[in-house]
Formats: sequence, structure tokens, C-alpha cells
Amino acid sequence: EPEVTQTPSHQVTQMGQEVILRCVPISNHLYFYWYRQILGQKVEFLVSFYNNEISEKSEIFDDQFSVERPDGSNFTLKIRSTKLEDSAMYFCASIALYEQFFGPGTRLTVL
Amino acid sequence: GQQLNQSPQSMFIQEGEDVSMNCTSSSIFNTWLWYKQDPGEGPVLLIALYKAGELTSNGRLTAQFGITRKDSFLNISASIPSDVGIYFCAGQLLTGKLIFGQGTTLQVKP
Repeated sequence: EPEVTQTPSHQVTQMGQEVILRCVPISNHLYFYWYRQILGQKVEFLVSFYNNEISEKSEIFDDQFSVERPDGSNFTLKIRSTKLEDSAMYFCASIALYEQFFGPGTRLTVL
Repeated sequence: GQQLNQSPQSMFIQEGEDVSMNCTSSSIFNTWLWYKQDPGEGPVLLIALYKAGELTSNGRLTAQFGITRKDSFLNISASIPSDVGIYFCAGQLLTGKLIFGQGTTLQVKP
């Protein structure tokens, strides 16, 4: 069964460093999303991406964040200068029609 | 902004018991989704509901999309230990964006 994959599973970084989180959505899906989940809290929407551009972003998704689909398969989330409060699980999701499928997540720890 | 209120926050039940949890919102959603999340993993889709009033089952799980499009419930019948986890409701907007509830933590005592 097709699935969304994410790498790395865990990323530890120093505050102020740049990180890139990678996702490979399900191949025939057209809409892509990033969500964040701070430990013990609910999943929060960050950004949606369609037709090679951002279609919607939340207030969390400030100028430090960017997304890219550099080729036909990868979908990346970049945090330019990480802050302590960026520590969270980051989930990529993709959708064909209605059902949104999530990847296993990347746990980002900012020290 | 849109918010979902999910209840209860947690449940501790005996194996074999039935479980019910629900979500309400002040906003209308086009689709309601129920996910389960195990520790350290991503949410896994359990049931998707597309029409107001729709009642859908998936094995021991049953979910309904409220007539007003502002609420949904999930029932789990005859719970088993592997039902343990966090259950999230999510309302989906036309853009595909999901708004999640706060989650219901389910613990099942064998």
C-alpha cells in the first residue's frame, strides 16, 4: 500500500541552525501539507502546497519557514534559523481527493 | 479561527467495554475524519465522513457526521488492548486543511 515517507525520523540541532525536513508524498497525490505537533498537544496546520506554490499558511509559518518541491517526488520544509520553540514532531501529509494520509513524522529537537 | 472541542480528554476502560468520544465545532466542515495516533508515530486514518448525517463503520469502529455538519462522534465497540492510543477528530475544509481536536487518550485495562 502506498505511504508517505519522511526523513530523518529524528533531527537534533542547535538553536539558530538551519534544518531541512524531507517528505516523499504518495505518488499520484496533488496536494501536500506540513503539520506540527508539540509534545502532548494537538496537531497544528502549518502550510498547504499545490501546483508548486503555497496555497495556504498558518500564522506559525513565518518568514523562517519555507517549503519546496525540488523534483517530482520530494517535498521539503526548511526552517532557516531554528528556535527552541520549534522543537516538535513535524508531519507531512498528502491527499488525492478527500482522505489525507500522514507520514510517520520527524522529531525535531532544538537545543 | 476554527476550533474543535473534543471530549472526553481521556478514558480508562476495561477490555470489552464500548467507548464513545465526540467533537463539536462552531464552524461547518465538509469532511470529518477520525485518526488514531500511537506514541512516536503519525496519525493513521480510521474513518472518513463526507455527508451530513452519514454513519460509517470500519470493523468495531462506527462514526457519524452530524446533521448540522458541526459535530461528529466515534464509537469503539468491545474494546481490546491494542485500541490504546490517542484518537483525534479532524474537520477538513474545502482547501484540504485539517483542523484537529485536542485528542482523546484511551487506555484499556486487560
